[in-house]
Amino acid sequence: AQSVSQHNHHVILSEAASLELGCNYSYGGTVNLFWYVQYPGQHLQLLLKYFSGDPLVKGIKGFEAEFIKSKFSFNLRKPSVQWSDTAEYFCAVTSKAAGNKLTFGGGTRVLVKP
Amino acid sequence: GAVVSQHPSWVICKSGTSVKIECRSLDFQATTMFWYRQFPKQSLMLMATSNEGSKATYEQGVEKDKFLINHASLTLSTLTVTSAHPEDSSFYICSACPSGFNEQFFGPGTRLTVL
Repeated sequence: AQSVSQHNHHVILSEAASLELGCNYSYGGTVNLFWYVQYPGQHLQLLLKYFSGDPLVKGIKGFEAEFIKSKFSFNLRKPSVQWSDTAEYFCAVTSKAAGNKLTFGGGTRVLVKP
Repeated sequence: GAVVSQHPSWVICKSGTSVKIECRSLDFQATTMFWYRQFPKQSLMLMATSNEGSKATYEQGVEKDKFLINHASLTLSTLTVTSAHPEDSSFYICSACPSGFNEQFFGPGTRLTVL
């Protein structure tokens, strides 16, 4: 069975600081990896995804993530956050073996102070 | 493209009543739709996988008689919470997977409050 863990439950940082959110998954086969963002009161939006190819994936709003297969990790990064990045971030994994069912991590609540 | 809608966006009902939530893929066909539940300050938990023309597949611990799922067409899946109780109050989110794709597109969610 696949599972996802996000290391940080809450992150507080100031504008212009760099952000890195950890995500580790457990599944031995081929996986597809996603980062979603949920702004306060809004629905889930896809930030970026990894299916294959270049392990460094660039997404929307200046976010990027790096797939490190040997570490089963898919950490999300942004060099300089803005107040508008305040949101909850979810890492998720899916695989063909799991019928493309998404398994979500517990989420990381990010608060960016102006 | 790849827009998913849900209706209603919020609903308040009395304990013991049934509530139906609709999930529609507006610009694509989806043989598979998924239903999630999100409690406050928690992550999304998959409840069931809805397959067009066949029975839904429920995750462990989800009562199939309480959460009735119907996927009658390639663009519509419904979740009916039967005999709702306050502990069923939650945010219900659906997603749809376009045929041949392995990416899900999420609806805006339905907030259910059972009094």
